[in-house]
Amino acid sequence: EPEVTQTPSHQVTQMGQEVILRCVPISNHLYFYWYRQILGQKVEFLVSFYNNEISEKSEIFDDQFSVERPDGSNFTLKIRSTKLEDSAMYFCASSEHGQGTDTQYFGPGTRLTVL
Amino acid sequence: AQKITQTQPGMFVQEKEAVTLDCTYDTSDPSYGLFWYKQPSSGEMIFLIYQGSYDQQNATEGRYSLNFQKARKSANLVISASQLGDSAMYFCAMREGLSTGGFKTIFGAGTRLFVKA
Repeated sequence: EPEVTQTPSHQVTQMGQEVILRCVPISNHLYFYWYRQILGQKVEFLVSFYNNEISEKSEIFDDQFSVERPDGSNFTLKIRSTKLEDSAMYFCASSEHGQGTDTQYFGPGTRLTVL
Repeated sequence: AQKITQTQPGMFVQEKEAVTLDCTYDTSDPSYGLFWYKQPSSGEMIFLIYQGSYDQQNATEGRYSLNFQKARKSANLVISASQLGDSAMYFCAMREGLSTGGFKTIFGAGTRLFVKA
């Protein structure tokens, strides 16, 4: 069964460093998403991406964040200058369409630890 | 105001029994979808079941069923014949504006389910 994959599973970085989290969505999906989950808290929407553009973003997704689809298979989230409060589990998700009954399928997550 | 409310931070159920996890939601949009996801201790988010706001029947998926009461704005998850592997965190979630392209999924705080042998 096709699935969303994410690498790395765990990333440790120093405050102020740039990190890139990578995702490979399900191959026939057109819509891509990033969510984050701070330890012990609820899952929060960051951004959705379609046709090489951001289609929606939350207030969390400020200028330090960016997303990119550098090739036909990868979808990345870049955090330019990490802060301690960026420590969280980051989930990538994808869906075939952007609306209707479409379900977003989540990857296994990348645990980001900022020291 | 909370869009998704899960009032049970933790639940215990005996193996082989059924359990209901509560979820209420708040939206003024007529077109929305409700989802349940399971998050085991390993951390991944596993899609379980979906209910659309215009669906006439309650969704079912194997041992999972969704008790959708639109007037009450509730979408409770029922797990029948609980198994030890069902022990996990369960999230209720909603997407609004499906007819106009709502993209983000809004999650509740979750309910941690413990299945006892």
